[in-house]
Amino acid sequence: DSGVTQTPKHLITATGQRVTLRCSPRSGDLSVYWYQQSLDQGLQFLIQYYNGEERAKGNILERFSAQQFPDLHSELNLSSLELGDSALYFCASSVIGTPYNEQFFGPGTRLTVL
Amino acid sequence: GESVGLHLPTLSVQEGDNSIINCAYSNSASDYFIWYKQESGKGPQFIIDIRSNMDKRQGQRVTVLLNKTVKHLSLQIAATQPGDSAVYFCAENAGSGGGADGLTFGKGTHLIIQP
Repeated sequence: DSGVTQTPKHLITATGQRVTLRCSPRSGDLSVYWYQQSLDQGLQFLIQYYNGEERAKGNILERFSAQQFPDLHSELNLSSLELGDSALYFCASSVIGTPYNEQFFGPGTRLTVL
Repeated sequence: GESVGLHLPTLSVQEGDNSIINCAYSNSASDYFIWYKQESGKGPQFIIDIRSNMDKRQGQRVTVLLNKTVKHLSLQIAATQPGDSAVYFCAENAGSGGGADGLTFGKGTHLIIQP
């Protein structure tokens, strides 16, 4: 158990809908990262937040957005969902926001878009 | 960013043998490398990391080797056990480059342990 929690574990929805994925980082970790894992694209970095502020962006679509709240939990919002958005979404956290810190991954949310 | 790749999608080894998983990276600005293990239905789990100012780092039963000349990274697992069965990913980050702090992952090698 990494200490990172994600909810829900599974999510099934229809095209065009909007969903919110939630992540609680390890106690004491200030930085949260979101990753998408799909069969064709592999594990891809989406976005990072550090202490409530957006820190870095990766391959995140404009239909996707995220935020980190004062209690440091984070939410990833996916809108206008398409079939290709079906994937595993992982949240990771690290103590601080610099690249040389170990990122601890949560168990993931499996999103299925029908 | 540039991708990090692996040479073999599947590697099958006998229990008790040593395993070597290879990875090639293409971003010469990368200066931090990590190996992750992902078991079925779980998130990636950190195994070991290495910075570019080193060429070898050892952990418990694992060793990571870095060859910057040929941009090659390898993970050696000693005395492979059934619990080592998983997909192994190398990941990199151009930490000092000021770019995105997210990791760039390779496609993964599925390590299968034969009894």
